[in-house]
Amino acid sequence: EVQLVQSGAEVKKPGESLKISCKGSGYSFTSYWIGWVRQMPGKGLEWMGIIYPGDSDTRYSPSFQGQVTISADKSISTAYLQWSSLKASDTAMYYCARHRRGELLSAFDIWGQGTMVTVSS
Amino acid sequence: DIQMTQSPSSLSASVGDRVTITCRASQSISSYLNWYQQKPGKAPKLLIYAASSLQSGVPSRFSGSGSGTDFTLTISSLQPEDFATYYCQQSYSTRIFTFGPGTKVDIK
Repeated sequence: EVQLVQSGAEVKKPGESLKISCKGSGYSFTSYWIGWVRQMPGKGLEWMGIIYPGDSDTRYSPSFQGQVTISADKSISTAYLQWSSLKASDTAMYYCARHRRGELLSAFDIWGQGTMVTVSS
Repeated sequence: DIQMTQSPSSLSASVGDRVTITCRASQSISSYLNWYQQKPGKAPKLLIYAASSLQSGVPSRFSGSGSGTDFTLTISSLQPEDFATYYCQQSYSTRIFTFGPGTKVDIK
């Protein structure tokens, strides 16, 4: 079964660092881009960035450039999203998703279950 | 940057109704338009890709159409399990993907 499994919920204080993970299985992890999506409480989906685990080529949404770091460790089929200094406004659900590409096809077809990040003093 | 809008932002409908949701891009995106369904507390699910192609396993009551800047998602006969929020997403920009604000479909 093709799946992405994300790390568990986190509760952090402002200023702390955090790294959440997304582990792929059931497919060739290095052959598909992995994207990250934020969903703040009660709000819509926001695309944050994307990484190609095969060579770690990474692209960021302008809204998130410099705010987070996306990385991957292909040896363990895992992508990461990290913050160096969390803010209360980072409180949200974060999803990873596999990007599938073909003729006119460019979509996120497999999604992780989400990781809830709560930042509160 | 390509901006996406959706209308309506919410709608109330009954089981069996035909429902249409519209998505508009700020510039032409050819057919690089996807639709996702999200139920409360769940991850989004891909319904339609390339504007009109049905993702495997998605019921045929869902359909998509459009190209350029204007797109529609149609549910031909709304079922109880279809009450959810629907998002469009453009994938025209290289490695830059933008979601629409969402349309919430609830029970009348």
